[in-house]
Amino acid sequence: DAEITQSPRHKITETGRQVTLACHQTWNHNNMFWYRQDLGHGLRLIHYSYGVHDTNKGEVSDGYSVSRSNTEDLPLTLESAASSQTSVYFCASSAGPGGYNEQFFGPGTRLTVL
Amino acid sequence: SQQGEEDPQALSIQEGENATMNCSYKTSINNLQWYRQNSGRGLVHLILIRSNEREKHSGRLRVTLDTSKKSSSLLITASRAADTASYFCATDAGGGNKLTFGTGTQLKVEL
Repeated sequence: DAEITQSPRHKITETGRQVTLACHQTWNHNNMFWYRQDLGHGLRLIHYSYGVHDTNKGEVSDGYSVSRSNTEDLPLTLESAASSQTSVYFCASSAGPGGYNEQFFGPGTRLTVL
Repeated sequence: SQQGEEDPQALSIQEGENATMNCSYKTSINNLQWYRQNSGRGLVHLILIRSNEREKHSGRLRVTLDTSKKSSSLLITASRAADTASYFCATDAGGGNKLTFGTGTQLKVEL
C-alpha cells in the first residue's frame, strides 16, 4: 500500500546545530508539504513543493529550507536550530496539479531543541 | 495567521449523542476540508466540500458550507468513543491545494 513516512520520529538536538527531517511518499504525488504543529496554533505551513525542483515558502518559513530532487522525497532542513523550533513536524502529500485533493499525512516528527 | 477558527475549542459528550463543530474563515475559498487527528498521530482526511456546494454527507458525517457567512459546520451523528480526537477545518483559497488550518476542536466522547 502507498504511504508517507517520516524519520526520525523523535529527535533531540542542541541550539545552533543543523537538523534534517526526512519525508518519503510512495503515492507518486506531485504536491508535498511541511507543517509544524504547536499548541494554540494548529498546523502552520512551512514550505511546499508542486513538483521536482519546485519549492515555495509558506507562512512560517524563516530558519527552514527544503529541496525536491525527486518525486518521493522532500527533506526539511533547519539551518541552525533554535529553541523556538521545538515542535511536532508533519509532512503531507497530495495529487496535483490543481483540482480538489485531500492531503495524506505522515505520522510526524517530534523535535526538541535544547 | 490562521484562516480558520473552530468553535468550540473543546467538546465533551456522551456516546450516542451528536457532536457539532463550527469553523469560520476569513477569505474566499476554493474548497474546505475537515481532518481528524488522534492523539500522537498524523491527520486523516474526512471530507472535502467545494465552494459551490452547500452540504455533503459521508457515513455519520455531515458538513455544511455557507460561503456568505464564511463558515462551515461538521456534524458527527451517533458518536462513539472511537470518535474521540481533535478535528480541524482547513481552507484551500487558491485551488493549488495549499491548505490553511484552524486551531481545532478537541472532542471527547465518553461511554
